[in-house]
Formats: sequence, structure tokens, C-alpha cells
Amino acid sequence: DSGVTQTPKHLITATGQRVTLRCSPRSGDLSVYWYQQSLDQGLQFLIQYYNGEERAKGNILERFSAQQFPDLHSELNLSSLELGDSALYFCASSVDPRTDTGELFFGEGSRLTVL
Amino acid sequence: EDQVTQSPEALRLQEGESSSLNCSYTVSGLRGLFWYRQDPGKGPEFLFTLYSAGEEKEKERLKATLTKKESFLHITAPKPEDSATYLCAVQPYPEDSNYQLIWGAGTKLIIKP
Repeated sequence: DSGVTQTPKHLITATGQRVTLRCSPRSGDLSVYWYQQSLDQGLQFLIQYYNGEERAKGNILERFSAQQFPDLHSELNLSSLELGDSALYFCASSVDPRTDTGELFFGEGSRLTVL
Repeated sequence: EDQVTQSPEALRLQEGESSSLNCSYTVSGLRGLFWYRQDPGKGPEFLFTLYSAGEEKEKERLKATLTKKESFLHITAPKPEDSATYLCAVQPYPEDSNYQLIWGAGTKLIIKP
């Protein structure tokens, strides 16, 4: 158990809909990362938050958005869903990559299926 | 351009047959190199961090080594439970990357009993 909690574990929805994925980081971790992993694809970095502020952006679509709340949990919002958005979405946390060695601790993922 | 390449893409071994996975990287400066294990449908699990050429880390049947251009994950006398995808990631120095990891595509390891 990594200590990172993601909900829901599975989600099935239709094209055009909007969903919210939730992540609670490990106790004490200030940084949260979101990754997308499509079938047989590598990990694609979406976005990082540190202590409530956006730190870095990767290949995140404009239809996607995220935020980190004062209690440090994070939400990833996916809207106007397309078939190609079907994937595993992982949340990871770390202490602070500026001072820590940067190991990431991943949750179990949220599997999104868009029909 | 910073890049991480893992080989082979897939590796099938018999139980007890030792082998190595390769991770070659191109970055202007290396802050750290990470190995992760990922089981199907699960999140990656952290294994090792290596910081400088010549460094080695061991955990059970796994040993990771690092040179200036590549890292190897050596698997000694593997068991079926070692079957997984092994991911390599590098962290360049912050001025090049804002601390983001660059991930390889992974090596899928299958150990047959």
C-alpha cells in the first residue's frame, strides 16, 4: 500500500460527459501529480500541484483541469469526454521534488471507460 | 532532447534464468534515475533510485546499476512473481525540466514456471 488513495477505481461513462477523479496523497506529501496511461502506452504526465499551486503542466488537454485543495487532496476534471480518453489515470505524490530525491508514490489508479 | 529508451520491449524467461533489462538515457544533467515495477492494472511501485555512475542498489533478486549513459536492472534466478512491467525514469536537473520525470516505455518481463 503506497498510502495514495484514488477514487473511483472504475468509471464507465458516455462521450460528451464530464467526470471527476479524486486523489488523497500520502500523509505529509505536498506534491501531487496526475498521469494518464492508455492501453499499452507509457505514462503520460498531465499536471503537477505543490501545496495548492500549479507547479508544472505536461500533455494535458484543454478539456481537462485539475486543482489541489487546502487539505492537499486533488481532483482531476475531465469534460467533453471522447472515446480516446479511455485510460488509467494515476495520481502520485511526493514530498517536495526540490529538496527530496523525487521518488513518486502512485495510487492504484482510476480506470475510465468512455462508451 | 531529453530521452529515455528501454530495451527489450518484452522478455520471456524460464524460472531461474537470469537476465538484464536496459535503460539508456540522454539528458544534459542527471539528478536521479528511478526504477519502478508495475503490475497489470496497478500503479507503478517504486524500487530504486540511483544518483551517480558506479552506484548499485539491490533488493531481493533485483540489482540496479548506473553508468553515465545507461542503467541495468539485473534479475537473478527470477521467479514467476517477478513477472511485471519494469519502468525506468530519469529526473534531469531542474533548470531543464522543472523536476519532472522522463519515463521510458517499459520492459514487460514474463517468467515461466
